[in-house]
Amino acid sequence: EPEVTQTPSHQVTQMGQEVILRCVPISNHLYFYWYRQILGQKVEFLVSFYNNEISEKSEIFDDQFSVERPDGSNFTLKIRSTKLEDSAMYFCASSESKKSYEQYFGPGTRLTVT
Amino acid sequence: DAKTTQPTSMDCAEGRAANLPCNHSTISGNEYVYWYRQIHSQGPQYIIHGLKNNETNEMASLIITEDRKSSTLILPHATLRDTAVYYCIVREGRDDKIIFGKGTRLHILP
Repeated sequence: EPEVTQTPSHQVTQMGQEVILRCVPISNHLYFYWYRQILGQKVEFLVSFYNNEISEKSEIFDDQFSVERPDGSNFTLKIRSTKLEDSAMYFCASSESKKSYEQYFGPGTRLTVT
Repeated sequence: DAKTTQPTSMDCAEGRAANLPCNHSTISGNEYVYWYRQIHSQGPQYIIHGLKNNETNEMASLIITEDRKSSTLILPHATLRDTAVYYCIVREGRDDKIIFGKGTRLHILP
């Protein structure tokens, strides 16, 4: 069964450093998403992406964040200057279309900012 | 904010049916009821969705009341692997994002 993959599984970085989290969505999917989950809290929507542009973003997704689909398979989330409060699990998801009932989530990248 | 209310936690004996309730009294006509679950430290997983009618798939059944103000997710024969947080979500069909609430933490007891 096709699945969303994410790398790395765990990333440790120092405050102020840039990080790039990588995702490979399911190959025929057209919509891509990033969510995050701070330890012990709810899963929060960050951004959706379609046709090489952001479709929707939340208040969390400020100027420190950016997304890119650099080639036909990868989807990345960049945090320019990490803060302690960016420590969280980051999940990538993809769906066939906007009206797809099912979003497929990856296993997540645990980001620890020290 | 999430438009649903769920119990914080529930227990169910292994092999029995797990019935997870959800209230969504402000649901509108074009909003679907979705269920996802999150096994510890993994990404959320889609289970089932419905609009008005009851639905069944290989994972679960979804019973929606006639007034659509509440629903129940049924796992017919719960196993230890069903221990997870279960999220009931109300979402318009054209919505991009999923808004997760706190969900119900389901413990399956051996």
